[in-house]
Amino acid sequence: QKEVEQDPGPLSVPEGAIVSLNCTYSNSAFQYFMWYRQYSRKGPELLMYTYSSGNKEDGRFTAQVDKSSKYISLFIRDSQPSDSATYLCAMSVVDTGFQKLVFGTGTRLLVSP
Amino acid sequence: GAVVSQHPSRVICKSGTSVKIECRSLDFQATTMFWYRQFPKKSLMLMATSNEGSKATYEQGVEKDKFLINHASLTLSTLTVTSAHPEDSSFYICSARAPGLAGARTFYNEQFFGPGTRLTVL
Repeated sequence: QKEVEQDPGPLSVPEGAIVSLNCTYSNSAFQYFMWYRQYSRKGPELLMYTYSSGNKEDGRFTAQVDKSSKYISLFIRDSQPSDSATYLCAMSVVDTGFQKLVFGTGTRLLVSP
Repeated sequence: GAVVSQHPSRVICKSGTSVKIECRSLDFQATTMFWYRQFPKKSLMLMATSNEGSKATYEQGVEKDKFLINHASLTLSTLTVTSAHPEDSSFYICSARAPGLAGARTFYNEQFFGPGTRLTVL
């Protein structure tokens, strides 16, 4: 079983739709939970991060963490064609003294005009 | 601020040759740099962690002699793929971390990612 599971998609939605992206994880030692956006042939850029269970909002983006279920989500409201990208969830863990990131496979999102 | 560059962006080489990829932090000093590998429709896999002036720490399953990492300065780390084979073809991404960097979200020592290098071995 992978430490982090994420549906690779693609997920196709019309412009203006609400998008829900999800990841599940198995390692209780994960401390921080992040969402990255990656455009084609580019490096990932950090969108949001959370630490505790609950919701965190930033503009059109809402990150949700449920530690009891080991489930995290990213919601995008009023989606735009410019949101079309791959969204990766990532989780941090301390391993052999270093803090490392473990990524999901990424979900490819396509927002059509 | 917090820009990381990689060079080259794409490289095509023949099987058996060695390829060097550079990762630079342009406007900050990176105490730690990370190298990742990403296959199509797969997640980023951490290959190694390198601290300036010390040997890199490799993840399980990553061949140290094949993927040579040098972190000689606080702004430069290099990854050399030695005797490359077609199965080494992948997207290689580096990231850099600088605890205490002004504006960085240091809650977890945020990593700043480079744009990646596409390696194709023929």
